[in-house]
Order: sequence, then structure tokens, then C-alpha cells
Amino acid sequence: QQQVKQSPQSLIVQKGGISIINCAYENTAFDYFPWYQQFPGKGPALLIAIRPDVSEKKEGRFTISFNKSAKQFSLHIMDSQPGDSATYFCAAGYSTLTFGKGTMLLVSP
Amino acid sequence: KAGVTQTPRYLIKTRGQQVTLSCSPISGHRSVSWYQQTPGQGLQFLFEYFSETQRNKGNFPGRFSGRQFSNSRSEMNVSTLELGDSALYLCASSLDAGGTDTQYFGPGTRLTVL
Repeated sequence: QQQVKQSPQSLIVQKGGISIINCAYENTAFDYFPWYQQFPGKGPALLIAIRPDVSEKKEGRFTISFNKSAKQFSLHIMDSQPGDSATYFCAAGYSTLTFGKGTMLLVSP
Repeated sequence: KAGVTQTPRYLIKTRGQQVTLSCSPISGHRSVSWYQQTPGQGLQFLFEYFSETQRNKGNFPGRFSGRQFSNSRSEMNVSTLELGDSALYLCASSLDAGGTDTQYFGPGTRLTVL
């Protein structure tokens, strides 16, 4: 069964710190790895995505690191801000999109 | 461009009833996927429709069904509601079918079953 395992479940980071969320997958057929950000009462919004032909992608303060051989990928949020406090979901796509269970990030002022 | 819209935003039903949720995708998007989101299970894939055809279906009972119209709008139906069906139901649209195209989510319909 396709699975994406996400850790940690929750994370508290001080303002200005680095937030790191990790995901691991099993199915080597996955070839699209997006991260979504969700605020309470809203639907998930695409943050950044990567394909397996690159090992890193950076957009502003958000970076995805991708390790194909280890079947792992991670989201790094640099200079974390209180406005980044949200739930983050990793996902892996092939015929359908499979989501991790989410990480609740709290950035303390 | 207008985003994905879902109606209604909130619903309260009782066990045994049925419910229909609606989703209007972003203009030009032909694929609509539905997800169930609960605190314990996260986002679980229900089904995907592309050009009025169901392409993929998740591991949910037959009480969950859907359809897509020629204008790409989609509806999902849940019959014989159970307490465990209480969840946020999200739809997402994308240009193409499958799990490798960017999916844009609507705000969801919060269903409460009493």
C-alpha cells in the first residue's frame, strides 16, 4: 500500500529559527513531491514542490531537500515567523496524490 | 482567476441521512479530486474525476460516490451517513489527471453527523 510517513507530528520553533519537517515514502513510482500549508478553516495551499530529477529546490525561505536513494524528502523553513504557524503536509504523487499525516508548526514570537 | 469553490461550507446531518456536496473547479481545470480530512487520519483520497469519468478511487465504502458534469463541476454523495463520516471534505482541481499535476484545494465542506 502506498504510504508517506511524516515527522514530527508537532513542532515548536522560536522566531528566526529553522523549522525542519521530514517525510519518507515507500513506492519508487512516486515522481512528484509537493508540500502543502494549511491554516485553520482553510483548504491546503501548495507551498513548494519537487520532482525526483533534482535534489534541492528553494523558493524564498522554503527549501525542499530530496534524497532519492533514501526515499526521503524534507521541508526547511528558514527564519521562521509567527505567520508560518500552520499545519504542513507532505505528499507524493503518481497515479494519485498520497499525503502524510501532517505537522503542526508553532513559531513562538 | 477564481479559485476552487465548494458548497455548502457547513452541513449538519443525522445518521442514516444522505448528503450531496458540490465543487466548482478553477476555470479550465478538467480534473477534480475529493479528499476526506479527519484529525486522526489526515487527508485520505476518495476519488478523482477527469472529463466526466472516474479515474481513481480510494479505499472507501460504496456509500461514497461522485460524478462530474460536462462543465467539470463535481458532486460527491454520501448515503446512509454514519457518525464516523464527520469530517472536512475537500475537493481539489488540476489541469490534468493523476497525482503529478499541481492540485488546488477549495476551502472544504465541514460535515457533522449527529
